[in-house]
Amino acid sequence: DTGVSQNPRHKITKRGQNVTFRCDPISEHNRLYWYRQTLGQGPEFLTYFQNEAQLEKSRLLSDRFSAERPKGSFSTLEIQRTEQGDSAMYLCASSIQDPGVNEQFFGPGTRLTVL
Amino acid sequence: SQQGEEDPQALSIQEGENATMNCSYKTSINNLQWYRQNSGRGLVHLILIRSNEREKHSGRLRVTLDTSKKSSSLLITASRAADTASYFCATRNSGYSTLTFGKGTMLLVSP
Repeated sequence: DTGVSQNPRHKITKRGQNVTFRCDPISEHNRLYWYRQTLGQGPEFLTYFQNEAQLEKSRLLSDRFSAERPKGSFSTLEIQRTEQGDSAMYLCASSIQDPGVNEQFFGPGTRLTVL
Repeated sequence: SQQGEEDPQALSIQEGENATMNCSYKTSINNLQWYRQNSGRGLVHLILIRSNEREKHSGRLRVTLDTSKKSSSLLITASRAADTASYFCATRNSGYSTLTFGKGTMLLVSP
């Protein structure tokens, strides 16, 4: 399967714990995006990378959130000291660098539940 | 924050009928895209319309864009039960590389 993959698919954690999610984009895509989606809402942009450079971060990305893409391939999103409000689906997407298009291909998401 | 608003929030139709969903947005855009999301899963790209285009077709999908009204519509013709999903519009705003999604329309197609 050459699509975007995310691991784990589900994560249940207790408030205050740290969690880390991984995203593997489509291999030839140099852009990678993270979104958060809560029930009944559309995805909300968190951050994106072009190769290994983090080019934009949303105001939604508090200091407890950090994302990396060390070699310009896979990416990790870490949430420290999780709160119940962090419960959501975390979606990763990738795309080629095309100034005119920006069609994004999404992974299946990681559903986080903070107890 | 979310850019657009889809209308209606939910739509229930019978197989074979057409489904129309609308999207309104607020700022100047580069393009507008429609995505489908099956229950609890990732999003699938359906169609993209650029800001200088007014109408686009892809199979049973027809998208229109009116930049003067800052609105778009998605028409699914001859709907099927498999079309049951949430549909989101997403705008690529001028000067930005990221997408801003609306809240979505939940479509239920009954056999």
